[in-house]
Amino acid sequence: DAKTTQPPSMDCAEGRAANLPCNHSTISGNEYVYWYRQIHSQGPQYIIHGLKNNETNEMASLIITEDRKSSTLILPHATLRDTAVYYCIVRVAAGNQFYFGTGTSLTVIP
Amino acid sequence: SQTIHQWPATLVQPVGSPLSLECTVEGTSNPNLYWYRQAAGRGLQLLFYSVGIGQISSEVPQNLSASRPQDRQFILSSKKLLLSDSGFYLCAWREGVAKNIQYFGAGTRLSVL
Repeated sequence: DAKTTQPPSMDCAEGRAANLPCNHSTISGNEYVYWYRQIHSQGPQYIIHGLKNNETNEMASLIITEDRKSSTLILPHATLRDTAVYYCIVRVAAGNQFYFGTGTSLTVIP
Repeated sequence: SQTIHQWPATLVQPVGSPLSLECTVEGTSNPNLYWYRQAAGRGLQLLFYSVGIGQISSEVPQNLSASRPQDRQFILSSKKLLLSDSGFYLCAWREGVAKNIQYFGAGTRLSVL
């Protein structure tokens, strides 16, 4: 699986959009980008995933650059409950291994 | 709908004692199952995964073992715990080959003293 690079921490004001970047410059054509988040002392929660098109669901939007070497997770209106560690993972769909790095610790500030 | 159960939520064990953590999944059949460990302030480390009953793949050689005695049951064990086994243990199951989304349990926080 391709390696990802994320900033270790970010702050965001409550009610504003949180934009979390992820670099995956070695991504291959059949690898998807997945985002999970982990609220303190809980199991990770799936957010969204995509291959090359931008994706949106009830939780977030995923913007993948045209060359697929980076992506951005957007939480449109951050709330205090969005404070968590966000993980960007790149992997093939059929594989079994999921390798989580250290992610980005997002703090939403009132 | 599918649910995943892990227990216990918290466990304190002395060094050298055995360990058994259990994970069960409801609402799906023949799931892929996973055990992860998260040390304090670190990312998740994949320990074991299973694609079917009795089929276990180990990612990291260590003091732990896993078993899958039933389709929706995944057990993590140790004969003698080490201090370094302390951490947050998470079980997960995977939905679908095409989507490949993993859903996690609430975790077990293990402290080895």
